[in-house]
Amino acid sequence: AQSVTQPDIHITVSEGASLELRCNYSYGATPYLFWYVQSPGQGLQLLLKYFSGDTLVQGIKGFEAEFKRSQSSFNLRKPSVHWSDAAEYFCAVGDDKIIFGKGTRLHILP
Amino acid sequence: NAGVTQTPKFQVLKTGQSMTLQCAQDMNHNSMYWYRQDPGMGLRLIYYSASEGTTDKGEVPNGYNVSRLNKREFSLRLESAAPSQTSVYFCASSADRVGELFFGEGSRLTVL
Repeated sequence: AQSVTQPDIHITVSEGASLELRCNYSYGATPYLFWYVQSPGQGLQLLLKYFSGDTLVQGIKGFEAEFKRSQSSFNLRKPSVHWSDAAEYFCAVGDDKIIFGKGTRLHILP
Repeated sequence: NAGVTQTPKFQVLKTGQSMTLQCAQDMNHNSMYWYRQDPGMGLRLIYYSASEGTTDKGEVPNGYNVSRLNKREFSLRLESAAPSQTSVYFCASSADRVGELFFGEGSRLTVL
């Protein structure tokens, strides 16, 4: 059965610092992987997605993610966070049936 | 551009009452989804419809039914609401099986 684990419920980083949000998945075949962001009181927006090919994918707002098949991971990174990045981030996996992780809430210190 | 429209946005029900959440998309998307979002639980898939005429169970289908009325519309019905169904419900659509999900604004349901 497919599943997604986001080990960190909350992460706090200082503005300007680098960020890595972890995501591990379980999926029977080649996974389709996604990262979504939900800003306070807002809907969900796609940051990036991986289907095949280059394992390092670039997304919007300066985010990137790396697919590592051997580790069943798809971690999200950003070199330098901005206060506006404070939000909840969701990793998702699937094709017809898209399953989300429980999310990581990112807090930014000024 | 309306995108994905959900109605109602807010609803309060008493235990045992029934209601239907409506969802419509104007992007000619093939796939549609219903999720619920609860604090600390992320988004959990209730039902999905990969194409017009098909529906399938997601992670938490118990207590819900769905209808893919046509390509545009995908409704979610609670036949006998329970307090455990208090949640924020999101409808989403995508162009195809692995496309970007476009979400509605959410429907906040409270069951007393």
